[in-house]
Amino acid sequence: EAQVTQNPRYLITVTGKKLTVTCSQNMNHEYMSWYRQDPGLGLRQIYYSMNVEVTDKGDVPEGYKVSRKEKRNFPLILESPSPNQTSLYFCASSWSVGATNTEAFFGQGTRLTVV
Amino acid sequence: ILNVEQSPQSLHVQEGDSTNFTCSFPSSNFYALHWYRWETAKSPEALFVMTLNGDEKKKGRISATLNTKEGYSYLYIKGSQPEDSATYLCASNTNAGKSTFGDGTTLTVKP
Repeated sequence: EAQVTQNPRYLITVTGKKLTVTCSQNMNHEYMSWYRQDPGLGLRQIYYSMNVEVTDKGDVPEGYKVSRKEKRNFPLILESPSPNQTSLYFCASSWSVGATNTEAFFGQGTRLTVV
Repeated sequence: ILNVEQSPQSLHVQEGDSTNFTCSFPSSNFYALHWYRWETAKSPEALFVMTLNGDEKKKGRISATLNTKEGYSYLYIKGSQPEDSATYLCASNTNAGKSTFGDGTTLTVKP
C-alpha cells in the first residue's frame, strides 16, 4: 500500500530535549516536505527536499533541521524544542512539485506538545 | 497578492446546494496549484493539481478551474452532500519546490 508514515503520532516533551520525528514513504517519490499547522492557520512549510541530499528552507525553518540521506526518509529534527513549537506536524511526498499527475500524499500527522 | 488567500473562511450550506470557493495566489513564480480536502482528525487528501492557464479538472461532483494570469482558482461542488463537509485547502508551488498554503475554507453541509 502506497503510504507516508510518520512517527510518533503523539509526543509530549520538555523544553530543550532533542527529538526527531521520522517520515518514510514507499512510493520512490523525489519530493518530500514538512509542514506545521496551528489553530486558525493553514499549513506552513518548514523544510522541503527536491531529491536526495537536496534540502531547502520553507517559510518557518527556525528551530528545525532536516536531512535527506536516502530517498525514502526525511526526518525532522528539533535540536532544542521550545513551547512555540507545539503544533501539528505533517510530512508529505510527491513525484515532483508541478507535474499534473503528481498528487501529494500526506502522513498521518504528529501532534507535538512542548512543555 | 503576496500570500495565498482563500475565501470565504467558512461556509454553511444545505444538502443539495451547489457552492464554490476562491483561492488567490501570486501569479509571479507560479508553477502549480494544488487543491486538498481535509477532514477533521485525518490527513489532507489531494483533489487536483493544475499547472496551465485555463486548466479545468473534475472529480465526480467537484471541479476546479485555474487562471494563472490573474492568479486565482475556483473550486466548485455541485449538489453538496453532508460527506463533503471538510476544510478545503489550496497551495501554490514554485518550480523550486516552495509550497504556500492558504488558510482554507471550512464547508459544513447540513442534511
